[in-house]
Amino acid sequence: EDQVTQSPEALRLQEGESSSLNCSYTVSGLRGLFWYRQDPGKGPEFLFTLYSAGEEKEKERLKATLTKKESFLHITAPKPEDSATYLCAVYNYGQNFVFGPGTRLSVLP
Amino acid sequence: NAGVTQTPKFQVLKTGQSMTLQCAQDMNHEYMSWYRQDPGMGLRLIHYSVGAGITDQGEVPNGYNVSRSTTEDFPLRLLSAAPSQTSVYFCASTPSTGPGETQYFGPGTRLLVL
Repeated sequence: EDQVTQSPEALRLQEGESSSLNCSYTVSGLRGLFWYRQDPGKGPEFLFTLYSAGEEKEKERLKATLTKKESFLHITAPKPEDSATYLCAVYNYGQNFVFGPGTRLSVLP
Repeated sequence: NAGVTQTPKFQVLKTGQSMTLQCAQDMNHEYMSWYRQDPGMGLRLIHYSVGAGITDQGEVPNGYNVSRSTTEDFPLRLLSAAPSQTSVYFCASTPSTGPGETQYFGPGTRLLVL
């Protein structure tokens, strides 16, 4: 059974304090790993797709990396507007997305 | 483009009542899906469809029914609501079933079953 776990469950940072979020996965056949951002009361919003180990993608203060067993979302010099829940999901050969529970990030000014 | 729209935004039901959650997309996407989101459990797939006339079960299909008569619409029916179905429901669409396609999510429907 495909599984996705995320750590930490919640993270509080001071503005400018860089950190990383972890997504660990077990999947029978990985077609892609996705990162989403979700603001309170809204649907998830796409950030990145990674396909193979060693791949990296960047967007503003965010950088996502992928290994064979996990992915990291690095946040460099975060700002309060980066506060959100970050979701990781794997897309498998059954054409289904399996989501992790998310990491709630709070960035304090 | 309106993207993915969902109605209603919020609904209160009594145990045993039935209702339909509406989902529509105007992007001509083939793949549509329904998720429920519960605290600490992430998004769980209820049903999905890879095209008009084709539906399949996800991880938690019991108590829910779907149909896909058009590319645009993918309603979710609760047959006899139970308190365990209290959740936030999200509809999503994807251009195709290819490996690189991301999902576009609707704003969600909050359902409370008393």
